[in-house]
Amino acid sequence: EPEVTQTPSHQVTQMGQEVILRCVPISNHLYFYWYRQILGQKVEFLVSFYNNEISEKSEIFDDQFSVERPDGSNFTLKIRSTKLEDSAMYFCASSRQGRAETQYFGPGTRLLVL
Amino acid sequence: KQEVTQIPAALSVPEGENLVLNCSFTDSAIYNLQWFRQDPGKGLTSLLLIQSSQREQTSGRLNASLDKSSGRSTLYIAASQPGDSATYLCAVEGGGADGLTFGKGTHLIIQP
Repeated sequence: EPEVTQTPSHQVTQMGQEVILRCVPISNHLYFYWYRQILGQKVEFLVSFYNNEISEKSEIFDDQFSVERPDGSNFTLKIRSTKLEDSAMYFCASSRQGRAETQYFGPGTRLLVL
Repeated sequence: KQEVTQIPAALSVPEGENLVLNCSFTDSAIYNLQWFRQDPGKGLTSLLLIQSSQREQTSGRLNASLDKSSGRSTLYIAASQPGDSATYLCAVEGGGADGLTFGKGTHLIIQP
């Protein structure tokens, strides 16, 4: 069964460094998402992406964040200058046709900023 | 702003019992509601999606209902098994929010 994959599974970085989290969505899906879950808190929406541009973004998704689909399979989240409070589990998700469709989540990347 | 609340926060029951998990949301203008399962340190597994026009969905031992007007959903698990132990998350799409808005989850333990 097709699934969303994410790399790396764990990432440790120093405050102020740039990180890139990678995702491979399900191949025939058109909508892609990033969410994060700070330890012990709710899963929070960051951004949605469709047709090579951002569709929606939350207040969390400020200028330090960017997303890109560099090729036909990968979808990346870049954090330009990491802060301690960026430490969280980051989930990528995809759906076939956007609203009112099931979103399928990847296993997540656990990011620790020291 | 859409808010999703899940009750109870934690639940521990003996194997074989039927149980109900509750979810409520503040803005009823949703597109859909989705139930997920999250195992410790793992990703989210989609269990059921209910469209705003639907009243319920069933998958195996799971049945989810939606009462959009009152802002409530329930997840019914029949004949619980130890393998059902996980955190169950409710999420809604729409209602003035972008993406999915999640509840904090119900941490379920099924005792063998």
